[in-house]
Amino acid sequence: EVVVTQSPATLSVSPGESATFSCRASHNVRHNLAWYQKKSGQAPRLLLYGASTRATDIPARFSGSGSGTEFTLTISSLQAEDSAVYYCLQYNYWPPYRFGQGTNLEIK
Amino acid sequence: EEQLVESGGGLVQPGGSLRLSCVASGFTVSSNYMSWVRQVPGKGLEWVSVIYAGGSTYYADSVKGRFTISRHISENRVYLQMNSLRAEDTAIYYCARDPGGQFFDLWGQGTLVTVSS
Repeated sequence: EVVVTQSPATLSVSPGESATFSCRASHNVRHNLAWYQKKSGQAPRLLLYGASTRATDIPARFSGSGSGTEFTLTISSLQAEDSAVYYCLQYNYWPPYRFGQGTNLEIK
Repeated sequence: EEQLVESGGGLVQPGGSLRLSCVASGFTVSSNYMSWVRQVPGKGLEWVSVIYAGGSTYYADSVKGRFTISRHISENRVYLQMNSLRAEDTAIYYCARDPGGQFFDLWGQGTLVTVSS
């Protein structure tokens, strides 16, 4: 089974700055990785798939990179509304679908 | 507009049963892979079960033998029958669409299941 590890657990960044999230897979998942934003009381929102392709209506401030086992999500020009938990999901090996444990983004 | 709406959550005693329902609009559930994903309060996202377009079903080890996923094609609905419920099954349960062995691109708002005496 593929294990997906996210880091850091918590990120605290000021408005206007950039935030970088890391996701590491235990096996090569090629480009089959997605990123989600999860706010309390809301459904998860798909941000990126194929490691770097933005989903519908996702602003260009959200970008992704990586392949194989190392992936990065970057949010630039941070806004207060970006405060959320961010999850990665590998979908190269399934079932089971495996999410990372999440990174909590705090806007200072 | 494509949409998923879950229902059926509630309070149930340990050992009890509950059936969750997810009705889809704007697309056909039988043409997609439909999953249930849960989130324990304060914890991360955990995939629970999937039913493939062809009808095959799979489960997370944590629910295998206790939960059953099914669908009603004419009602465009997906179900999750949950038996032998445990306190650790307490979570918000989301219905999610996977267009075909990929990522989840559409989610419902979730339904809360609380297992407690």
